[in-house]
Amino acid sequence: GDSVTQMEGPVTLSEEAFLTINCTYTATGYPSLFWYVQYPGEGLQLLLKATKADDKGSNKGFEATYRKETTSFHLEKGSVQVSDSAVYFCALSEGGQNFVFGPGTRLSVLP
Amino acid sequence: DTEVTQTPKHLVMGMTNKKSLKCEQHMGHRAMYWYKQKAKKPPELMFVYSYEKLSINESVPSRFSPECPNSSLLNLHLHALQPEDSALYLCASSHRGSYNEQFFGPGTRLTVL
Repeated sequence: GDSVTQMEGPVTLSEEAFLTINCTYTATGYPSLFWYVQYPGEGLQLLLKATKADDKGSNKGFEATYRKETTSFHLEKGSVQVSDSAVYFCALSEGGQNFVFGPGTRLSVLP
Repeated sequence: DTEVTQTPKHLVMGMTNKKSLKCEQHMGHRAMYWYKQKAKKPPELMFVYSYEKLSINESVPSRFSPECPNSSLLNLHLHALQPEDSALYLCASSHRGSYNEQFFGPGTRLTVL
């Protein structure tokens, strides 16, 4: 079945550092890919998405590119802030048939 | 309105109590979901309503009973819960049928004593 793998962390960075959170997926077809963020004590917020190969999703300085050849959707940000501290979930949805979350990556940004 | 709202924000209940969680959206979405999230884990799908019909039940215990009174509202009725049911319960909705981009509510933090 479909699955999503991501580095579980925790990831600890200093403010203004470069962020990469790796995400790879397994799917039988051509899924849509998502990054969700969950701040402490809150629900999940959609951060960005990509629906086909080579699409780049971007939002709030975060970016991720849908790489079909490597089945990856890595999340990047050039300069993190303390306010980016949260848990980040990679997820896929295939053909309206399922919605699969990765295990989540906890990010802590220190001032 | 691009928001999913959930009430209550926090709920403490005993194992013999009956309570309900409520979820509402006004985005015109026709699919709504209940998820259970334990600490440091991803959300686990419990129920999916598509066009107000229960389309998927992921083998959730019968002490959880979903209800979709109309396309904007989703309830989760709770009865005879166990302490291990303590978790964050998240509601979500999506456009154009099941499993597309989902919008989540803030969740209800449930504690079962």
